[in-house]
Amino acid sequence: AQSVAQPEDQVNVAEGNPLTVKCTYSVSGNPYLFWYVQYPNRGLQFLLKYITGDNLVKGSYGFEAEFNKSQTSFHLKKPSALVSDSALYFCAVRDTGNTPLVFGKGTRLSVIA
Amino acid sequence: GAVVSQHPSRVICKSGTSVKIECRSLDFQATTMFWYRQFPKQSLMLMATSNEGSKATYEQGVEKDKFLINHASLTLSTLTVTSAHPEDSSFYICSARDWSGELFFGEGSRLTVL
Repeated sequence: AQSVAQPEDQVNVAEGNPLTVKCTYSVSGNPYLFWYVQYPNRGLQFLLKYITGDNLVKGSYGFEAEFNKSQTSFHLKKPSALVSDSALYFCAVRDTGNTPLVFGKGTRLSVIA
Repeated sequence: GAVVSQHPSRVICKSGTSVKIECRSLDFQATTMFWYRQFPKQSLMLMATSNEGSKATYEQGVEKDKFLINHASLTLSTLTVTSAHPEDSSFYICSARDWSGELFFGEGSRLTVL
């Protein structure tokens, strides 16, 4: 069975500084990895995904993530944080195209002006 | 991009009544839809997988008679919370999968049971 770990409940970063939100995963086969963002009382917005190919994936709003197979990680990064990036971020994984996504517990990002 | 619409976005009901939440894929056909439940400050918990024209597959611990799921067409799945109680109060989110396997999420429905 697949699982996702987001070790940090909260990440605080100053505006303009780089940010990293950590994610590690466990799957039996090849992973399909995703990052989503959720604003208060809203659904999930897709940021980026890794299916195959280049380990560095670029997504929406300047976010990117690096797939590291040896460390089973898929950390989300952004070179320069904005206050508007403050939200709840979820990492998710599935092991085939047809299985449901399994979500991490979420990491709340707070960007301080 | 593809859009998934959930309705209502907020609903308040009395204990013992039933509430129906709709999930519609607006510009694509979704053979599979997923229903999630999210508790405050927690992650999304998969409740069930809904396949068009067949019975939903429920996750362990989810009462199928409590949470009725119907996926009668390729663009609509409904979740009915029957005989709702305060502990059913939660944020319910649906997602729909298009032909390529891409997943799109609805905006969520906040249910409050008094």
